[in-house]
Amino acid sequence: EAQVTQNPRYLITVTGKKLTVTCSQNMNHEYMSWYRQDPGLGLRQIYYSMNVEVTDKGDVPEGYKVSRKEKRNFPLILESPSPNQTSLYFCASSRGTGTPNYGYTFGSGTRLTVV
Amino acid sequence: GESVGLHLPTLSVQEGDNSIINCAYSNSASDYFIWYKQESGKGPQFIIDIRSNMDKRQGQRVTVLLNKTVKHLSLQIAATQPGDSAVYFCAEGWVYNAGNMLTFGGGTRLMVKP
Repeated sequence: EAQVTQNPRYLITVTGKKLTVTCSQNMNHEYMSWYRQDPGLGLRQIYYSMNVEVTDKGDVPEGYKVSRKEKRNFPLILESPSPNQTSLYFCASSRGTGTPNYGYTFGSGTRLTVV
Repeated sequence: GESVGLHLPTLSVQEGDNSIINCAYSNSASDYFIWYKQESGKGPQFIIDIRSNMDKRQGQRVTVLLNKTVKHLSLQIAATQPGDSAVYFCAEGWVYNAGNMLTFGGGTRLMVKP
């Protein structure tokens, strides 16, 4: 089944403790992206990646890092989480660059709480 | 399930009626638009897309209308069913040399009354 898999689904952590949210897709998609979703603010892009070793900042990149060492994986790293990073996070992927990627496929989400 | 928006605009319709969800966009240079559906506890799910050079596109029970003059997009759902209850997002996208970008609207909650 074609899908984007995020782990974990739920995570509660303390301020300053580094964490990684994993994202993997099995569709051989070139484009991957991370979003956070907050009440009243909709989906905001954190980082995106056009292909392996190619990443760029989205609208709200502060406090986050990403890496794209292989095509299928795009982990989101919070080096020193803070309470304002408490949110619902989604990973998404889509087909290549230069052509309309009408079909973003989203993961099921990761609910992160930083206390 | 996950709360995707505590203060979203809400549309309440009777089961079997038609629903119309509206979206205003800001960028007249958008290349395409997409409607997504997000059910509680799940990620957004692609419903239908429309290119900017089109005015209307139909899918199964859904129709998207694009009015570029007033920068307005709508999603029409025919014979709304309880399973249509969800939050609906419009998104506008751009195609450029390095790839594609997508920006999401704030969402509308659709509640279907039995």
